[in-house]
Amino acid sequence: DAGVTQSPTHLIKTRGQQVTLRCSPISGHKSVSWYQQVLGQGPQFIFQYYEKEERGRGNFPDRFSARQFPNYSSELNVNALLLGDSALYLCASSLRGMDSPLHFGNGTRLTVT
Amino acid sequence: GESVGLHLPTLSVQEGDNSIINCAYSNSASDYFIWYKQESGKGPQFIIDIRSNMDKRQGQRVTVLLNKTVKHLSLQIAATQPGDSAVYFCAENPLSNDYKLSFGAGTTVTVRA
Repeated sequence: DAGVTQSPTHLIKTRGQQVTLRCSPISGHKSVSWYQQVLGQGPQFIFQYYEKEERGRGNFPDRFSARQFPNYSSELNVNALLLGDSALYLCASSLRGMDSPLHFGNGTRLTVT
Repeated sequence: GESVGLHLPTLSVQEGDNSIINCAYSNSASDYFIWYKQESGKGPQFIIDIRSNMDKRQGQRVTVLLNKTVKHLSLQIAATQPGDSAVYFCAENPLSNDYKLSFGAGTTVTVRA
């Protein structure tokens, strides 16, 4: 079975631009979460969606937004990019919420110059 | 600060020996804990999880121990292999009805041949 898939794998943007990252969960998983991982640190929670509704939001500015589609795939959007947004963006899926473990994709490496 | 932390940032172990990776958490309300393994260029890979109503759980070559009295979590890897070299993260679910995981900074495990 395919795991969590993310696209693109790498992305280079300049400050002020906007970016959209995409995620397809494991088949049958209805919950998708987004995490940001800065080099040398553990992942930081950004959003969690379940059945197309936002269930949780981390301490990130409003420049970050996300949505989940009827097929449970998800997009993460970041507007007005800053140099500090450079990171590995991870998508994770689970059957429901936190009653089952999150399974992560390999992430999108975003570099902002 | 972070509610989840690891005692040591790095661990060097001889191939064939057992490894013990430690983690301290500060939120006594946390009821779900997960260990992840992250190899270079990949997303975190689920290893094993444990709920607060358990003290110990075993998987294939891995054992997780939970000591709620001192808020301590450990991951034991038996007969460590070169393929076990990676960064290991412990993560906690702070609230029963929350949907996010809080990660520590990680322990880098290096297996010596």
